[in-house]
Amino acid sequence: GNSVTQMEGPVTLSEEAFLTINCTYTATGYPSLFWYVQYPGEGLQLLLKATKADDKGSNKGFEATYRKETTSFHLEKGSVQVSDSAVYFCALREEGAQKLVFGQGTRLTINP
Amino acid sequence: ETGVTQTPRHLVMGMTNKKSLKCEQHLGHNAMYWYKQSAKKPLELMFVYSLEERVENNSVPSRFSPECPNSSHLFLHLHTLQPEDSALYLCASSQYGVWVTGSYNEQFFGPGTRLTVL
Repeated sequence: GNSVTQMEGPVTLSEEAFLTINCTYTATGYPSLFWYVQYPGEGLQLLLKATKADDKGSNKGFEATYRKETTSFHLEKGSVQVSDSAVYFCALREEGAQKLVFGQGTRLTINP
Repeated sequence: ETGVTQTPRHLVMGMTNKKSLKCEQHLGHNAMYWYKQSAKKPLELMFVYSLEERVENNSVPSRFSPECPNSSHLFLHLHTLQPEDSALYLCASSQYGVWVTGSYNEQFFGPGTRLTVL
């Protein structure tokens, strides 16, 4: 079946550091890939998405590239801020399906 | 109110209690979802309703009973829960329809209800 694996957290960085959160997936066909973010006390928000191989999703300084050859969708940001502290979820959706399959989430803490 | 709202935000209940979680979406969507978020586990999809009909039920125990009276409201009725059911329960909504290749009908999430079963 389909699955998503994220790097284990928690991840703690200093402000302005470079961020990478790894995400790999297993799926049949050609899934769409997503990153969601959950700020403290809130629900999940869509951060960025990519719907086909080599697409790059970007938003709020975050980027992720859909790599079919490595089945990966790693999240990156060049310079993190304290306000980026949150839990980040990688997810996939099979082509033509409604259901999202989530990874376990990675808690990110940015210290000033 | 805007977006997706959930009440209550926090709930503590005993194993013999009966309670209900409520979700309301103000986005004009026609599909609603219940997810369970447990510590250190992936988000688990519990139920999907589209046009007020249940279209997916992922082997959820019968002590969880969903109800979707209209496209804006979704309930999760709880009875005789177990301590391992303690979790954050998230509601989401989206527009459900015929898919166009490359399109995505984003799911919008509520803030969740933090449930503790004693």
